[in-house]
Amino acid sequence: EPEVTQTPSHQVTQMGQEVILRCVPISNHLYFYWYRQILGQKVEFLVSFYNNEISEKSEIFDDQFSVERPDGSNFTLKIRSTKLEDSAMYFCASSGQENTEAFFGQGTRLTVV
Amino acid sequence: QKEVEQDPGPLSVPEGAIVSLNCTYSNSAFQYFMWYRQYSRKGPELLMYTYSSGNKEDGRFTAQVDKSSKYISLFIRDSQPSDSATYLCAMGPVSGTYKYIFGTGTRLKVLA
Repeated sequence: EPEVTQTPSHQVTQMGQEVILRCVPISNHLYFYWYRQILGQKVEFLVSFYNNEISEKSEIFDDQFSVERPDGSNFTLKIRSTKLEDSAMYFCASSGQENTEAFFGQGTRLTVV
Repeated sequence: QKEVEQDPGPLSVPEGAIVSLNCTYSNSAFQYFMWYRQYSRKGPELLMYTYSSGNKEDGRFTAQVDKSSKYISLFIRDSQPSDSATYLCAMGPVSGTYKYIFGTGTRLKVLA
């Protein structure tokens, strides 16, 4: 069964460092998302991406964040200068059509120390 | 009022019980409703997806949407210890966006 895959599963980084979280969405999907979940809190929307551009972003997604689809398969989230409060599980999701169910990856646990 | 409200639990039931999980929401424009199951330290796994009002059944799971009451439910029949997880409702999209809103999740424990 097709699935969204994310790498790495766990990333530890020092405050101020740049991190890139990687995702391979389901191959024929067109809509891509990043969500995050701080430990013990709800899943929060970060950004949606369609047709090679950001279609929507939340107030969390500030200038330190960027997304890219560098080739036909990968979808990345970059945090330019990590802060302690960026520590969270980051989930990538994709959907095949507009406003349909989204399938999530297993997440990358980011720990900023 | 929060956009999506969900009782965090924990909800403990004996094996074989029927479980009812619920969410309420405030935005009458929401059209798409999803239920996810999340095991500890794992990603959300899609269980059910419904559009607009009505019921949808898949095996032991039934999803109900009552748009007039802004209330959605997930029923689990013949619950198993392996159903122990956090159940998240999600809905949307927020008008003019692709954004879905998640509930806080209800932690379910099915006791053997």
